[in-house]
Amino acid sequence: GQQVMQIPQYQHVQEGEDFTTYCNSSTTLSNIQWYKQRPGGHPVFLIQLVKSGEVKKQKRLTFQFGEAKKNSSLHITATQTTDVGTYFCVDNDMRFGAGTRLTVKP
Amino acid sequence: KAGVTQTPRYLIKTRGQQVTLSCSPISGHRSVSWYQQTPGQGLQFLFEYFSETQRNKGNFPGRFSGRQFSNSRSEMNVSTLELGDSALYLCASSFVAGANVLTFGAGSRLTVL
Repeated sequence: GQQVMQIPQYQHVQEGEDFTTYCNSSTTLSNIQWYKQRPGGHPVFLIQLVKSGEVKKQKRLTFQFGEAKKNSSLHITATQTTDVGTYFCVDNDMRFGAGTRLTVKP
Repeated sequence: KAGVTQTPRYLIKTRGQQVTLSCSPISGHRSVSWYQQTPGQGLQFLFEYFSETQRNKGNFPGRFSGRQFSNSRSEMNVSTLELGDSALYLCASSFVAGANVLTFGAGSRLTVL
């Protein structure tokens, strides 16, 4: 089964709205990675977080790693149609979360 | 440089048959991981190979096996196919083993009839 729990499973937003997906682990993680999979595509690496409380930004994407290194989040500001896809978190055993499928209505 | 190459891209088999999928990693990458992706179960880790040795294994039956060659290319085999084995099989390579950045191939889509 999945090592990390990821919510929500689906998220439908209007273009311009914000989006957040969360990952929670029952154990302390040494690191966490995030990937994006476009419809019909394969997962593509976005970022890796290693430090407690770490926050990293990539344009409109903000990634956080919790202080206890048991949870993480990905926040997208002002979504665009190009953000459509499924976002996965991956724990340090390379187990993928269930993913959050984001759809964006223009 | 060339990406991760998986062959075949699509294949159809019948129950009871066996299948072999191939994965050529990015040049210089020595670790290859395999995942099964289905709508119901998401992305499930199958196994990871590094320097021709299986380093880690997911929770799949023994019908699923793999190996890695000295040139880092990897194959996975599924014997006695079941309908539930229909899935997208993704291979990913990384420079070293463990929690390293994965570069995925396009996948092999297997349909079992």
